[in-house]
Amino acid sequence: QVQLVESGGGLVKAGGSLRLSCAASGFTFSDYYMNWIRQAPGKGLEWLSFISSSGASIYHADSVKGRFTISRDNARSSLYLQMNSLRAEDTAVYYCVRKPPIDAFDLWGQGTMVTVSS
Amino acid sequence: QSALTQPASVSGSPGQSITISCTGISSIVGSDNHVSWYQQHPDKAPKLLIYEGTKRPSGVSNRFSGSKSDNTASLTISGLQSDDEADYYCCSYAGSGSWVFGGGTKLTVL
Repeated sequence: QVQLVESGGGLVKAGGSLRLSCAASGFTFSDYYMNWIRQAPGKGLEWLSFISSSGASIYHADSVKGRFTISRDNARSSLYLQMNSLRAEDTAVYYCVRKPPIDAFDLWGQGTMVTVSS
Repeated sequence: QSALTQPASVSGSPGQSITISCTGISSIVGSDNHVSWYQQHPDKAPKLLIYEGTKRPSGVSNRFSGSKSDNTASLTISGLQSDDEADYYCCSYAGSGSWVFGGGTKLTVL
């Protein structure tokens, strides 16, 4: 079954850190670019981070640059998001998302909730 | 505030057609082939409906169609059904590996 399963969310205090993981299955993970996209409660979608299939190219949104780091382990078919210096405004559902060779996101995980208490 | 502007809400009756606009695409990238559309039901992950402005992934109903005119991309849903009631987001590649989403549109089926 082709799927992405996130884990690692939870409640953390402002200034703290959290590491999200995403386990991919049912497809050749190393063939795909991957992203993290989040959604604050009652709000819209916000793209956060991109990593190329090899991990050589990485981009982050300005809102998380310097605080969040995307990485991947192709041998484990896993994607990660290291989140440091967390703020209350980082409270959101975080989605692991696949990007195929088209300009779109075709496979989304179920999301993991991160709550940052101030 | 998103660089892509969508109406906050639209509504229609079953069987009717509705169109959701997404304005600002030309100001983000020069090409018009980067727009995608997503459907999100409450407490669910988004689902890809349209990519590269007008193309439908396999398995997506042909009741969903995309178009583009000047600075605006549009999603049209024909033959509205109750299950179409959801939030809809446009998205565009913004260059330098980044992406931008519209603010989202809540579709109500009356």
